[in-house]
Amino acid sequence: EVQLVESGGGLVQPGGSLRLSCSASGFTFTNYAMHWVRQAPGKGLEFVSAISSNGGSTYYVDSVKGRFTISRDNSKNTLYLQMSSLRPEDTAVHYCVRLGYCGSAGCYFDYWGQGTLVTVSS
Amino acid sequence: EIVLTQSPATLSLSPGEGATLSCRASQSVSSSLAWYQQKPGQAPRLLIYDASNRATGIPARFSGSGSGTDFTLTISSLEPEDFAVYYCQHRRNWPWTFGQGTKVDIK
Repeated sequence: EVQLVESGGGLVQPGGSLRLSCSASGFTFTNYAMHWVRQAPGKGLEFVSAISSNGGSTYYVDSVKGRFTISRDNSKNTLYLQMSSLRPEDTAVHYCVRLGYCGSAGCYFDYWGQGTLVTVSS
Repeated sequence: EIVLTQSPATLSLSPGEGATLSCRASQSVSSSLAWYQQKPGQAPRLLIYDASNRATGIPARFSGSGSGTDFTLTISSLEPEDFAVYYCQHRRNWPWTFGQGTKVDIK
């Protein structure tokens, strides 16, 4: 059974840092690109960052460029998101997502973790 | 950045009725579009990929259509478990984006 379990969320002051982790199991982690998608309370979904299966390529939404760093440790089946210079607008549930359902036009998000809440407030 | 605009924001319907949800892209995304369903307190679930293909295990009452800039998710006859929020998402180019969602609630 595919499982994605996030951890590391919590309350942090503006300007602070957090590192989110996502432990993956039930599939060959090294075969899949992984993403972070977030959802502010009562709001819609927002793509945050992505990393290729071997970690060689990364992507970020403009609002987090230079502040967030995505990485993965394929030996530990774990995805990370290092978040710094946090702002109140970063407050959201952050989901770890597998890009694994593929059609002719590309691959889509097929498995999501339960999410971890990041709250940025003084 | 490609902006996806979903309409209506809320759709109030009764079980057994049909639902038609729209997603319009600010520029062509070809067929690189998916639909997700999200229920309160849960993560989203993939319903439709490549604009018109149902994901594994998705009931036949869900169908997707469209290409380019205009897309539609149709639910032929609403079941009680279908009342939820629906999002479209493109993967045409970076950054991938989601629509703001359409809430289907019980009338």
